[in-house]
Amino acid sequence: QQQVKQSPQSLIVQKGGISIINCAYENTAFDYFPWYQQFPGKGPALLIAIRPDVSEKKEGRFTISFNKSAKQFSLHIMDSQPGDSATYFCAASWVEYGNKLVFGAGTILRVKS
Amino acid sequence: DTAVSQTPKYLVTQMGNDKSIKCEQNLGHDTMYWYKQDSKKFLKIMFSYNNKELIINETVPNRFSPKSPDKAHLNLHINSLELGDSAVYFCASSQGRGWDTEAFFGQGTRLTVV
Repeated sequence: QQQVKQSPQSLIVQKGGISIINCAYENTAFDYFPWYQQFPGKGPALLIAIRPDVSEKKEGRFTISFNKSAKQFSLHIMDSQPGDSATYFCAASWVEYGNKLVFGAGTILRVKS
Repeated sequence: DTAVSQTPKYLVTQMGNDKSIKCEQNLGHDTMYWYKQDSKKFLKIMFSYNNKELIINETVPNRFSPKSPDKAHLNLHINSLELGDSAVYFCASSQGRGWDTEAFFGQGTRLTVV
């Protein structure tokens, strides 16, 4: 049972373009939605996270948009750079889960220079 | 200074063998985890320990046994290895038991069972 569905599976974007990755969740009890970035041969690292009481959070070139009614959230990478090429995972958690993160399947992003 | 370190980074072994992966964190965190990443890069939690106490145990075969000698260490022992155990295993840690705290991951151990 995949509780967090992520798309697309892979994405190619030109340098300077906008990368958009989408996630949808089923469990309305989820109340913490982080995005993790993973480079080849490395472990995932937290990029940005949001709570459902806000609709958008921005940190530098990275923005999370959150739509609670649609049970969807997305990551936007503005002015995408070749150094952003990595695998991106959305995830979700909620207080009854303790500190268990449920991950999406991942999106492989390649930014062409 | 590596925050979460795992050893070994690569492990190739034959079916039926027993192997261990070690993990240490120097962040002073209370909670440590083991995640499994399969060949399709899907990440799934296996275990979570808080102050040496097991708090999450997902549906994992009992051939997998985590051991936490202290809150800075969480080792994973696997008995009778099977081909399907081939994956990358990540150790992680976070502060406290909050569901909204950042998890810091190690660099992973790539286990190949032949």
